[in-house]
Amino acid sequence: GAGVSQSPRYKVTKRGQDVALRCDPISGHVSLYWYRQALGQGPEFLTYFNYEAQQDKSGLPNDRFSAERPEGSISTLTIQRTEQRDSAMYRCASSLGAGKRTQYFGPGTRLLVL
Amino acid sequence: DAKTTQPTSMDCAEGRAANLPCNHSTISGNEYVYWYRQIHSQGPQYIIHGLKNNETNEMASLIITEDRKSSTLILPHATLRDTAVYYCIVSSAGNMLTFGGGTRLMVKP
Repeated sequence: GAGVSQSPRYKVTKRGQDVALRCDPISGHVSLYWYRQALGQGPEFLTYFNYEAQQDKSGLPNDRFSAERPEGSISTLTIQRTEQRDSAMYRCASSLGAGKRTQYFGPGTRLLVL
Repeated sequence: DAKTTQPTSMDCAEGRAANLPCNHSTISGNEYVYWYRQIHSQGPQYIIHGLKNNETNEMASLIITEDRKSSTLILPHATLRDTAVYYCIVSSAGNMLTFGGGTRLMVKP
């Protein structure tokens, strides 16, 4: 079946602009996770949802970052007033939840802030 | 979540078994051991996980010591396509995954 999808795959923006990154989880998956990955490093947790409820946002680096999942399916990660240090690969993962812990990752969105 | 320690890199000959070690001496009773790998710039790929018993699936075997303080991921017949960064992660239910530096496995012909 279809895996986790993310869009856009690549995003180039100018410093100061807002960007919205989209994640479409595997159908039926309750939990959705956002990670950020710098070049040469492992993914770093940002936030996660169970259904539409944001359970943990401790990994969001500052208040320019926010995420929502209003209907418990698709999620959007928004970065306001982007800065060059926000450039990274942003990855989304989903899991069945309810004790089914395995997370399945999408292809990521590569963000470049000029 | 408990921290893990893995060698930075390993080499393995094609067709031979690749044994990737991981130390997680501070693991707590409700934490699972997960293994993921990342090939080039692709998203992390789930391999296997376990709590205290050894596990095997079509990709690999996971051997967890009796005290649960370390584990080994075994790829029984490594191929060139198994060249990747392998992450050992300890996590409790529903939590985020904390990726360390991983082990860069290079499978050589």
